[in-house]
Formats: sequence, structure tokens, C-alpha cells
Amino acid sequence: AQSVAQPEDQVNVAEGNPLTVKCTYSVSGNPYLFWYVQYPNRGLQFLLKYITGDNLVKGSYGFEAEFNKSQTSFHLKKPSALVSDSALYFCAVRDGTTDKLIFGTGTRLQVFP
Amino acid sequence: DSGVTQTPKHLITATGQRVTLRCSPRSGDLSVYWYQQSLDQGLQFLIQYYNGEERAKGNILERFSAQQFPDLHSELNLSSLELGDSALYFCASSAGPNFGEKLFFGSGTQLSVL
Repeated sequence: AQSVAQPEDQVNVAEGNPLTVKCTYSVSGNPYLFWYVQYPNRGLQFLLKYITGDNLVKGSYGFEAEFNKSQTSFHLKKPSALVSDSALYFCAVRDGTTDKLIFGTGTRLQVFP
Repeated sequence: DSGVTQTPKHLITATGQRVTLRCSPRSGDLSVYWYQQSLDQGLQFLIQYYNGEERAKGNILERFSAQQFPDLHSELNLSSLELGDSALYFCASSAGPNFGEKLFFGSGTQLSVL
């Protein structure tokens, strides 16, 4: 079965430090992978996606994600965290069999000043 | 602003009642998706419509139904409501029919069943 896992419920990081939000996936075939962010009282916003090509994908707000096929991971990264990055982050994978988007359980990122 | 409009923002109702949630997709988008977000279940895909036709079905209960109208807006109908239906319901839209595209989400409708 296709699935996506976000092993950390919460990640805490100091402003200015690098951040990583982890995501691993399980799909048959080539994965379509996504990151979305949800700010309080808002809908999800698209950050970036990987379909094919360069393993390092750059997205919105200075975020990037690294696709690692051997580790079946798609971790979200940012070199220098901002307090305004505090939000709920969702990893998602497109199920190639059913063509549905499966979301992880989300990771709350808290950036402290 | 994503361009996706959901109404109402908040809805409080009682068990056994029926409610209708409305979604207007981004201009030009033909696909509408409905998701349910709850603390215990996370973000669950309910159903997708593309250009008026049902295209994909997820974990949607039989008490729930949806449709997409000729002007492309969509409505999600929830009936015989139970306490466990309390959740945030999101609508999203995309240009084409495939889940490989970027989705634009509305701000959601917070449903509270008392």
C-alpha cells in the first residue's frame, strides 16, 4: 500500500538555525512527492514538488527538499529558520495506483526567537 | 489568497441534522477536491470532481454526498450528523484532473456537531 510517514509530531528550532522536517514514503513506481504548509486558520499552501529530475527541489519561502530514492525519503529543509516559518507542514505522495494524494499526519514546526 | 472560496467559515449544528458546505474553485480550475481534517484522522481525502463528473472517491461516508455544478462550484452535503463528524472540511482545486498537480486550498469550513 502507498503511504507517507512524518516521524516527528513537532520540530523545535532556534531562529537562524537550519531546519529539517522529515518525510519517508512507500509507493510502487516513480513517486510524485509534495510539501504543503498550513498556517493557523488557513488552508494548506503548496511549497514544492518532486516528479523527476534533480534530487534537490527548490520551493517557496526559501524551502527546499531533497529526494533520496535509496532511503525513500523527501526531507524538507531550510538553511536559516524564521519565526514566521512556524506552522504545520504536510508531506504528501501521489498514489500511482489510485491517482490520489495521500497526506502525512503533519509536523508542527516551532521556530523560537 | 488561494482564490478558492469556502462558505460558511464556521457551522454549528446538532446531531442528526444535515448541512451543506459550498466551494468555489479558483478561476479556470476544473477539478474540485474535498478533504476532512480532524485531530485523530489527519487529512483525509473524501472525493474529487472534474468538470462536473465524479473522478475519484476516498474515505467518504454514505451519509455524505457531493456534486459539482455547471458553473464549477461544488457542494458537500453531510447528513445524519454525528459528533464524530466535527472537523475542518477543506476544498481544493486544480486546473486538470490529476493528483500530480499543485492543489490550491480554501480556508476551510469548521463544522461543530453538538
